Amino acid sequence: GAVVSQHPSRVICKSGTSVKIECRSLDFQATTMFWYRQFPKKSLMLMATSNEGSKATYEQGVEKDKFLINHASLTLSTLTVTSAHPEDSSFYICSARDRDWSNNEQFFGPGTRLTVL
Amino acid sequence: EDQVTQSPEALRLQEGESSSLNCSYTVSGLRGLFWYRQDPGKGPEFLFTLYSAGEEKEKERLKATLTKKESFLHITAPKPEDSATYLCAVGGYQKVTFGTGTKLQVIP
Repeated sequence: GAVVSQHPSRVICKSGTSVKIECRSLDFQATTMFWYRQFPKKSLMLMATSNEGSKATYEQGVEKDKFLINHASLTLSTLTVTSAHPEDSSFYICSARDRDWSNNEQFFGPGTRLTVL
Repeated sequence: EDQVTQSPEALRLQEGESSSLNCSYTVSGLRGLFWYRQDPGKGPEFLFTLYSAGEEKEKERLKATLTKKESFLHITAPKPEDSATYLCAVGGYQKVTFGTGTKLQVIP
């Protein structure tokens, strides 16, 4: 149980293009999903918290117009990196929390490696 | 602000050599301390949640313990397949805060 998928696992794009990453909870409903960015040898950096049916909450320093988040259903959240530049190259990981609020665990997807040329 | 500090940053063990990883934390209103395992190029894999001081959980060669200020991940007789980065995180009222991890290497 508690499986989260991410697609694509790896993407290479040209500078200036937009890239969409999907995060799905496969066997549970997730009212809350999280988007993280991870740099080499660094910990996970929370970018935004995505709640189903409402606007995402972005962490300080994260540009909401650049990183568009949509959480249209209880099993799907998407992150769109708009007008990507080489500095956006990173490992992006999503996680989902079961709608049972008493359990605070987050279950992570396998991550998406984004390379912007 | 919630903080999580993990030590050591890296640990190299011989196969069968038991050891412990440390996670020190400060949090306003603990809503769970979490341990994850992360392999290179992959997302973190959930291991344990601990909620209150004195609680312990075990899974195969791993045992996690919790006090009011820190948590330990004990690894008993590790095998090479236990090599990974182990992440600790604390859940506060607002969000989960991650440590930078301990990179464990188990040598055959």
